[in-house]
Amino acid sequence: GQQVMQIPQYQHVQEGEDFTTYCNSSTTLSNIQWYKQRPGGHPVFLIQLVKSGEVKKQKRLTFQFGEAKKNSSLHITATQTTDVGTYFCAGPFNDYKLSFGAGTTVTVRA
Amino acid sequence: EAGVAQSPRYKIIEKRQSVAFWCNPISGHATLYWYQQILGQGPKLLIQFQNNGVVDDSQLPKDRFSAERLKGVDSTLKIQPAKLEDSAVYLCASSKLAGGPLGDTQYFGPGTRLTVL
Repeated sequence: GQQVMQIPQYQHVQEGEDFTTYCNSSTTLSNIQWYKQRPGGHPVFLIQLVKSGEVKKQKRLTFQFGEAKKNSSLHITATQTTDVGTYFCAGPFNDYKLSFGAGTTVTVRA
Repeated sequence: EAGVAQSPRYKIIEKRQSVAFWCNPISGHATLYWYQQILGQGPKLLIQFQNNGVVDDSQLPKDRFSAERLKGVDSTLKIQPAKLEDSAVYLCASSKLAGGPLGDTQYFGPGTRLTVL
């Protein structure tokens, strides 16, 4: 089964509001990656976090890697309709095999 | 730079029939992956090639699924015979390197949506 868990599974957000989605691993990860999949589309790489406690920003998106390197979060501020989609985190197990979480599906109310 | 190409985009077959998917990775990418994505779930790795060798196929149902990557470029994934539970999107991805502990960005193709009736 999947070794990376994501919560919540669904996130319904009012346009302009902030939200956070979380990713938890059963084991310590060397790195964690985040992907976005638009409805009907394919996963697109967003970012990779490597260092303990690392924080990276992409415009309104803030990604964080936990101190223990077992969890990560994605925070989106001032949600827009373009943020609609499913956000996956993925971590490498057995050195190279990426295991994807089930994703957080985001819908936006205008 | 051209992305990962996959064909067909859609396929509808009846159970027990056979089906094949094709993938052309980004030029120069050493590693090619086939994923199965069932509706509402994240992609699940079926098989990973580095050049034309198999790195991991532990989650490939080998009694019915097969894949090859001849000459280390294009790849085909075959299902024979198909079952109802094989209905999913089959994603091909490629990356420059082998991945390794630090990972490597994977570039996904548009996928093939398979419906088994």
